[in-house]
Amino acid sequence: DIVLTQSPGTLSLSPGERATLSCRASQSISNSYLSWYQQKVGQAPRLLIYGASSRATGIPDRFSGSGSGTDFTLTISRLEPEDFAVYYCHQYGISRAFGQGTKVEIK
Amino acid sequence: QVQLQEWGAGLLKPSETLSLTCAVYGGSLSGYYWTWIRQSPGKGLEWIGEISHTGITKYNPSLKSRVTISGDTSKNQFSLKLSSVSAADTAVYYCARATITMIRGGLHYWMDVWGKGTTVTVSS
Repeated sequence: DIVLTQSPGTLSLSPGERATLSCRASQSISNSYLSWYQQKVGQAPRLLIYGASSRATGIPDRFSGSGSGTDFTLTISRLEPEDFAVYYCHQYGISRAFGQGTKVEIK
Repeated sequence: QVQLQEWGAGLLKPSETLSLTCAVYGGSLSGYYWTWIRQSPGKGLEWIGEISHTGITKYNPSLKSRVTISGDTSKNQFSLKLSSVSAADTAVYYCARATITMIRGGLHYWMDVWGKGTTVTVSS
């Protein structure tokens, strides 16, 4: 099974700053079968990115995804107040699995 | 606009069987995969399993021996059964719609519609 490890566990930043979140897989993920979800407190997750770099419908362009193989990155270019949340990567190549999440909190 | 709503018993005793149903409103089961995900208190997301519109199931290997997911196209519903529950199964359970689409030679998958989640507590 592929294990996804996200880092850092918590990212403390101010609005307007750039956030860089990492997701590392225990083995190569074919075809960049990796997506990113955002979850706010008390809410269901929301799809941000699929195929490592394709933004889902309605997602602002300050969110971008990159990477391939075992290393993937979610970047939020300028944090807005509504972006403070927990972010999960999810692989859908071999079976399906989530990373443990990165919390982006206000500094 | 498609909406999902989960329901089922919220309090179980150890060794009982968890049973949840997810209703699909504003759409049908056809053409999509239907998934269950859970989130233990203060923890991350765990994919439980899925069923395709043709009835093909796929389960998390760590839960496979206890999980059954089924669908009822006539009622536009799909269900989750998890047997022999313990306190470790206490969680918010979400149902979600998954889309699988061929893009640039790859079969991509995303969960784009989610239910609000239902809390299941296992306690003696």
